[in-house]
Amino acid sequence: GAVVSQHPSWVICKSGTSVKIECRSLDFQATTMFWYRQFPKQSLMLMATSNEGSKATYEQGVEKDKFLINHASLTLSTLTVTSAHPEDSSFYICSASKQGANTGELFFGEGSRLTVL
Amino acid sequence: LAKTTQPISMDSYEGQEVNITCSHNNIATNDYITWYQQFPSQGPRFIIQGYKTKVTNEVASLFIPADRKSSTLSLPRVSLSDTAVYYCLVGGYSGNTPLVFGKGTRLSVIA
Repeated sequence: GAVVSQHPSWVICKSGTSVKIECRSLDFQATTMFWYRQFPKQSLMLMATSNEGSKATYEQGVEKDKFLINHASLTLSTLTVTSAHPEDSSFYICSASKQGANTGELFFGEGSRLTVL
Repeated sequence: LAKTTQPISMDSYEGQEVNITCSHNNIATNDYITWYQQFPSQGPRFIIQGYKTKVTNEVASLFIPADRKSSTLSLPRVSLSDTAVYYCLVGGYSGNTPLVFGKGTRLSVIA
């Protein structure tokens, strides 16, 4: 199979602190990973595309200095929410595709729920 | 990226066949159609993918007409555990292309 794991699955933090969320492809290599956020009863919104060894590409309206993305290896991408505020509370989901696979299927992590007090 | 339109919600009784239709009038020649299922507080899960005509796997069928401007996900004999949000996505075959999610269809299966 193709498993994508996120950690932590949920986190509560104080306003002004930074939180790091990890996304790992456990049994395959992923040159590209995608980060989404989802508010209650809404669809997933693409935040950024993370490429191994290069800078992430952010979608319009997503602050790159607030949502730091690092993709240092073929199996790990991290999203750091800096100086978090209550409006950053959301469900963050990562996804990855298999390197060299001949299908556009994306494998999604379980999601990480962030609550900022 | 092609935009998709789906019904916001659908209700069904257990054991019935459910068909969810998605419109994608601006689909490009090299775009594939992929359906995902999402349960509350979980990441989306791949259901089925197709390019044209009909695709069937162990959980669903996907019907795509010749003009490819729409597609229909068919779930045979749904159960309560099929209650979820179903997303239709259109995009390139390359895994390096992000998938843009529409609003999805909230399916409620009733006993």
